Amino acid sequence: DQQVKQNSPSLSVQEGRISILNCDYTNSMFDYFLWYKKYPAEGPTFLISISSIKDKNEDGRFTVFLNKSAKHLSLHIVPSQPGDSAVYFCAAGYGQNFVFGPGTRLSVLP
Amino acid sequence: EAQVTQNPRYLITVTGKKLTVTCSQNMNHEYMSWYRQDPGLGLRQIYYSMNVEVTDKGDVPEGYKVSRKEKRNFPLILESPSPNQTSLYFCASSPKGAFNQPQHFGDGTRLSIL
Repeated sequence: DQQVKQNSPSLSVQEGRISILNCDYTNSMFDYFLWYKKYPAEGPTFLISISSIKDKNEDGRFTVFLNKSAKHLSLHIVPSQPGDSAVYFCAAGYGQNFVFGPGTRLSVLP
Repeated sequence: EAQVTQNPRYLITVTGKKLTVTCSQNMNHEYMSWYRQDPGLGLRQIYYSMNVEVTDKGDVPEGYKVSRKEKRNFPLILESPSPNQTSLYFCASSPKGAFNQPQHFGDGTRLSIL
């Protein structure tokens, strides 16, 4: 059973609009959450993170929201740009372990 | 340039023929880790290492071995590869343990075991 779920395999958004990527987790021990972005033929690159003591973290166009009671986090990208087209992985961690979700492919249409 | 380097990038081989995928980082990171990526399953951790001579199993260690004799290198060894180990593999590192720290990833190694 997957501990980290990204239920939308793909998402298409118009350039300039908001992209919202969702992630759900089941293990209440997770206390640190990250989003990674992956382009084809490259490794994942770190995008933004949030610890369990916060409910929001912002970095430029990227904002991550954490709802611990719902075991849910989301990544908002505003405004979306064509260069944001990639696969986005949600990851949750505790101690030395990280569990990744299956990824969501975001396509930003010009 | 700070980077994690994996070799080879692509490999097609046959069942049972031992192979090693090398991983090297130039950032003096203590923590290194191996993942495999399969469709619909995301990245699953195979093994990780907190420092030289310290390794531990991740979620899917069966069929793999690792070693950490030097800080910069963390090779992944498949003693007797099987077709179910066909996958995309990533090595990653972070400064001081994975705890609360984002990892830097290599560009991946695509293995096909026939």
